[in-house]
Amino acid sequence: AQKITQTQPGMFVQEKEAVTLDCTYDTSDPSYGLFWYKQPSSGEMIFLIYQGSYDQQNATEGRYSLNFQKARKSANLVISASQLGDSAMYFCAMREGWVQGAQKLVFGQGTRLTINP
Amino acid sequence: DSGVTQTPKHLITATGQRVTLRCSPRSGDLSVYWYQQSLDQGLQFLIQYYNGEERAKGNILERFSAQQFPDLHSELNLSSLELGDSALYFCASSVGRGAKNIQYFGAGTRLSVL
Repeated sequence: AQKITQTQPGMFVQEKEAVTLDCTYDTSDPSYGLFWYKQPSSGEMIFLIYQGSYDQQNATEGRYSLNFQKARKSANLVISASQLGDSAMYFCAMREGWVQGAQKLVFGQGTRLTINP
Repeated sequence: DSGVTQTPKHLITATGQRVTLRCSPRSGDLSVYWYQQSLDQGLQFLIQYYNGEERAKGNILERFSAQQFPDLHSELNLSSLELGDSALYFCASSVGRGAKNIQYFGAGTRLSVL
């Protein structure tokens, strides 16, 4: 079964609009972390935002915020006031539990976001 | 710039050959992770080292091996290469402790097996 599901293969948004990228996850572990990464056409993976399963508040990092709905197992990324430079592939990832030093990320298939001028 | 350095950026080789990918983690990070990104498999975790010791293993083929050296840099060795090994290989590093433990990725090595 897919642990991370990103249902939007591609999205097209007008510049300056807000955009929400969907991510649902599946885990029975009470301790987990959720991450969003951006991959521009140049190929590098850029960390955007993190949400821990025990965090009470939704995470925010500048124009990025995470809409964390634990009961629904969703962790949607919201980008406010989109810019042309936001055009990229976006990946949602999950880390289940943690043992000191032993961690791995499981990634979704990604959403390709295109910002139109 | 994430602070994680991967070399080389591009690698073109033939089937049956062996290559070595190198990764230098961010200063102070003890954990190094290797991921493979391909069109059909997406982003897949391969292996993790923490302070020189193997800590987690994913779907890494037996033809692939890795190690982390005392200076904390890591190498991923790919041998008996097949066409299907063509992919973007990422190294990531993190402090290796705590709940947040953000993994920061290098720019990747693009491997083409011809």
